[in-house]
Amino acid sequence: GENVEQHPSTLSVQEGDSAVIKCTYSDSASNYFPWYKQELGKRPQLIIDIRSNVGEKKDQRIAVTLNKTAKHFSLHITETQPEDSAVYFCAASNRGQGAQKLVFGQGTRLTINP
Amino acid sequence: DSGVTQTPKHLITATGQRVTLRCSPRSGDLSVYWYQQSLDQGLQFLIQYYNGEERAKGNILERFSAQQFPDLHSELNLSSLELGDSALYFCASSVGPTTEAFFGQGTRLTVV
Repeated sequence: GENVEQHPSTLSVQEGDSAVIKCTYSDSASNYFPWYKQELGKRPQLIIDIRSNVGEKKDQRIAVTLNKTAKHFSLHITETQPEDSAVYFCAASNRGQGAQKLVFGQGTRLTINP
Repeated sequence: DSGVTQTPKHLITATGQRVTLRCSPRSGDLSVYWYQQSLDQGLQFLIQYYNGEERAKGNILERFSAQQFPDLHSELNLSSLELGDSALYFCASSVGPTTEAFFGQGTRLTVV
């Protein structure tokens, strides 16, 4: 089955700097890669996603890149702000055959230092 | 607020007991997912239903079962509870079986 590895497990950056979180996946059939942000005690919230037919997607300060050949994808946050502090999860799924089973990475705790 | 409602928010129970977690999906969503989040295992997919039909299964223990009812709400039943079952249980829902999933606030289960 699918396995998703996420690095680093913790990341601390100065406010205004950029943060990069990387994930690798094992199943070449995976075709959907969402990123979720989870604040302490709250639900995971989808912040951006990318499909396998796209190499890059951007939404304001957040961008995701996908390298299908190497089976890795990354989250980039620019101009970080204190409210970006949270745990970020990457996930992978094969959205085929009428089902969607998200396999999550172990999470990255991002801390933005003022 | 995602529109996905989970009850109860907190549950404390003893080992060996049985509990039922409930999930009401967002209005219009036909698919429901259950995930378990624990400190050591992270977010683990348990099961997916679409319009009452099971669509995908993860590493769900035999002691756990779920169903989706005609009104589209779902219940996750956990029996013969063990200390290791203590976790946050999230429900998510989506319009279709492969569309964007939105998570509820979760039910924190503590087994003592």
